[in-house]
Amino acid sequence: EAGVTQSPTHLIKTRGQQATLRCSPISGHTSVYWYQQALGLGLQFLLWYDEGEERNRGNFPPRFSGRQFPNYSSELNVNALELEDSALYLCASSLVLGSNRDSPSYEQYFGPGTRLTVT
Amino acid sequence: EDKVVQSPLSLVVHEGDTVTLNCSYEVTNFRSLLWYKQEKKAPTFLFMLTSSGIEKKSGRLSSILDKKELFSILNITATQTGDSAVYLCAVEAGANSKLTFGKGITLSVRP
Repeated sequence: EAGVTQSPTHLIKTRGQQATLRCSPISGHTSVYWYQQALGLGLQFLLWYDEGEERNRGNFPPRFSGRQFPNYSSELNVNALELEDSALYLCASSLVLGSNRDSPSYEQYFGPGTRLTVT
Repeated sequence: EDKVVQSPLSLVVHEGDTVTLNCSYEVTNFRSLLWYKQEKKAPTFLFMLTSSGIEKKSGRLSSILDKKELFSILNITATQTGDSAVYLCAVEAGANSKLTFGKGITLSVRP
């Protein structure tokens, strides 16, 4: 079974530009989560999408946005890049169990990440 | 603001040792606490704890939650070099199930 895939592996942008990161979940998973792992700050929750809708959002400014497509893959967009946006961006996917679609599943499977460098 | 603090920040042990990793938290409307193991890039899920005093076990790893004292521990017995990784603790809290991660504990197991 193919795991979560992310592209690109590395991305180098300059300040003020926009970055687009992509994630394909495990087949059959409907939920996609995005995390930022910056040096010294640990893993921080960014966004949760399920069935095409944004279900939850972390404490990030609006220039961090995303979407989920009908095939459940997802994009993370970061506008007006700042130097401190340099980080590893991890995507994870999961099933949402049962009929409770209000709580995310924490048996999340993570992708290999995209390393974003802003210069 | 929700806070998750892990200790120690890093740990070096020898194969066969037993280690205890700590996670304390201050959150509003606690729902669950999770442990992940991160090797290279991608974290892998270890345990989810919601009830106090109930130990979760998986092989040499075990974890327990104390909701009164607001902490959890992750124990690894008979450590192996393959246990070398960053161990992340996360707490789910609030009506919107927000996840807050600690900064992680870097464990190095020497042969």
